[in-house]
Amino acid sequence: GAVVSQHPSWVICKSGTSVKIECRSLDFQATTMFWYRQFPKQSLMLMATSNEGSKATYEQGVEKDKFLINHASLTLSTLTVTSAHPEDSSFYICSAQNNEQFFGPGTRLTVL
Amino acid sequence: AQSVTQLGSHVSVSEGALVLLRCNYSSSVPPYLFWYVQYPNQGLQLLLKYTSAATLVKGINGFEAEFKKSETSFHLTKPSAHMRDAAEYFCAVSYSSGTYKYIFGTGTRLKVLA
Repeated sequence: GAVVSQHPSWVICKSGTSVKIECRSLDFQATTMFWYRQFPKQSLMLMATSNEGSKATYEQGVEKDKFLINHASLTLSTLTVTSAHPEDSSFYICSAQNNEQFFGPGTRLTVL
Repeated sequence: AQSVTQLGSHVSVSEGALVLLRCNYSSSVPPYLFWYVQYPNQGLQLLLKYTSAATLVKGINGFEAEFKKSETSFHLTKPSAHMRDAAEYFCAVSYSSGTYKYIFGTGTRLKVLA
């Protein structure tokens, strides 16, 4: 139980385009999901807390207009990287809260 | 503010040797503590967690960790390393704030030598 999936697992896009990443809790409902960013050989940095039915809470320094988060249902949160640039290339990991956090397998974004 | 410190960004051990990965936290309230393992290009897998029950916590794959309040530590150990243990290990702390946000340490890359 407590499985979290992410789609896609990897994506390559051109600079200036937008990319949407989905995070789903497969066997439980999650009112709260989290989005993290991980640069190579570094730790996970929390980007935002996604709350079902309300606006996401962004960490300091994270641009909310660039990283759009939507948590429209209890099993799905999406992160859209708008007008992506090469510096947005990273490994994005989501987690869903069910007493503790359960992590997705991550999405590798490469912006050319 | 809460923080987590992992001493040693890289640790190398011989196969069969003891594994010790260090984690110290700073907290004014009793925290929840976690150890995760990450293999390349994968998400995080929970090894074990401390949630104010027993101070010695046993996890998967033969790992265990001991919560020592006096030392504000939660070091991860395994008596005998296997090649498959080579990975990145993260210590994390959380506290009750309604959303249980996690703070991660910087990670320790474990290398197991044949």
